[in-house]
Amino acid sequence: AQSVTQPDIHITVSEGASLELRCNYSYGATPYLFWYVQSPGQGLQLLLKYFSGDTLVQGIKGFEAEFKRSQSSFNLRKPSVHWSDAAEYFCAVGVYNNNDMRFGAGTRLTVKP
Amino acid sequence: GAGVSQSPRYKVAKRGQDVALRCDPISGHVSLFWYQQALGQGPEFLTYFQNEAQLDKSGLPSDRFFAERPEGSVSTLKIQRTQQEDSAVYLCASSLSRDRGYGYTFGSGTRLTVV
Repeated sequence: AQSVTQPDIHITVSEGASLELRCNYSYGATPYLFWYVQSPGQGLQLLLKYFSGDTLVQGIKGFEAEFKRSQSSFNLRKPSVHWSDAAEYFCAVGVYNNNDMRFGAGTRLTVKP
Repeated sequence: GAGVSQSPRYKVAKRGQDVALRCDPISGHVSLFWYQQALGQGPEFLTYFQNEAQLDKSGLPSDRFFAERPEGSVSTLKIQRTQQEDSAVYLCASSLSRDRGYGYTFGSGTRLTVV
């Protein structure tokens, strides 16, 4: 069965610094890959997604992610973090025609002034 | 509506009480999903509807959990004889298509606390 690992439980960065959140997945076929963001007390908002094609995908709010098949990774990046980016970030993997989309445990991002 | 609406936002139930959680998806969205998110964890799949048909309920943790979507729009997740381990945020998501390529739109969730 597919699984998702987010190795970092909590990351703190300074405002204006670059950000990379790690995500590793385990699945035999090429999965659908997603990044979601969750602010306190809110639902999850889709940042970006990957199915095929260009391995570097652009999302909302200035985020991007790169799919690396050889490393089974789908890391999320942002060149300059804003205070409003503080939230919980979830990586998720889905399989075509399978309803069980798996989420990682999440990475909590704190942004220092 | 403009987004996925869930009610109530918060629910406190005494152990053994039955609860019903409501999800109002985006109008026209065919697919509807329920997820359970325990504190400090990612969401875990519970069940999936395509229109009114419940096509997958493999994630429901026990037979105390029951979900329905009788007219293919609003869905209700019912938990009978609640236990403390049922305390979690229950998230509903809807999608225009069964193809996950569209991504899901999530509601803000219902936080259930069983005391």
